[in-house]
Amino acid sequence: GAGVSQSPSNKVTEKGKDVELRCDPISGHTALYWYRQRLGQGLEFLIYFQGNSAPDKSGLPSDRFSAERTGESVSTLTIQRTQQEDSAVYLCASSERGSITDTQYFGPGTRLTVL
Amino acid sequence: AQTVTQSQPEMSVQEAETVTLSCTYDTSESDYYLFWYKQPPSRQMILVIRQEAYKQQNATENRFSVNFQKAAKSFSLKISDSQLGDAAMYFCAYTNTGNQFYFGTGTSLTVIP
Repeated sequence: GAGVSQSPSNKVTEKGKDVELRCDPISGHTALYWYRQRLGQGLEFLIYFQGNSAPDKSGLPSDRFSAERTGESVSTLTIQRTQQEDSAVYLCASSERGSITDTQYFGPGTRLTVL
Repeated sequence: AQTVTQSQPEMSVQEAETVTLSCTYDTSESDYYLFWYKQPPSRQMILVIRQEAYKQQNATENRFSVNFQKAAKSFSLKISDSQLGDAAMYFCAYTNTGNQFYFGTGTSLTVIP
């Protein structure tokens, strides 16, 4: 596709339920990032995938958060037993190689609301 | 730890005027990259401009330029000839690795017609 896409665009769930958020990166991009953006805050790094290397999970806030990526394509971010503080916009980005000189291209995000 | 601070939650500018958005950061690294991203209401983050720390020359992209003061750890964004389409949240960001990026809390820019 032409850009990074994310689905769903909005998700409302009840506290305690699991949710899955999807990211389709730009074709050919080997690097993929997930960020969380709470209301009025900047982006908070969650996880980074680069090719077949082990992902950098250092930003995941708890063991309720996990992410997977199939090869160099789709990624899913899973939040188990959601809590109200998980409410945020979850942004995905991809870049060609994950190099420090590469431009990150962002998706439109998924707005998650936990009731 | 690396931190990025944007001390102006909101700014406004008259159309066609110039505005400067401030950003400071903290790092012990000598080689790194700094970025300004724009986030319009559509939520899609767009890269505005990028600065490499080892380059003394300030980056420029059309109406957008930066004032990079490495010793002061300051990285401000100047928008010249402001246009209505410039209205958005602007985020300053830092990385020294390419895999972890640190973002400020953003500045909401309003452009007054």
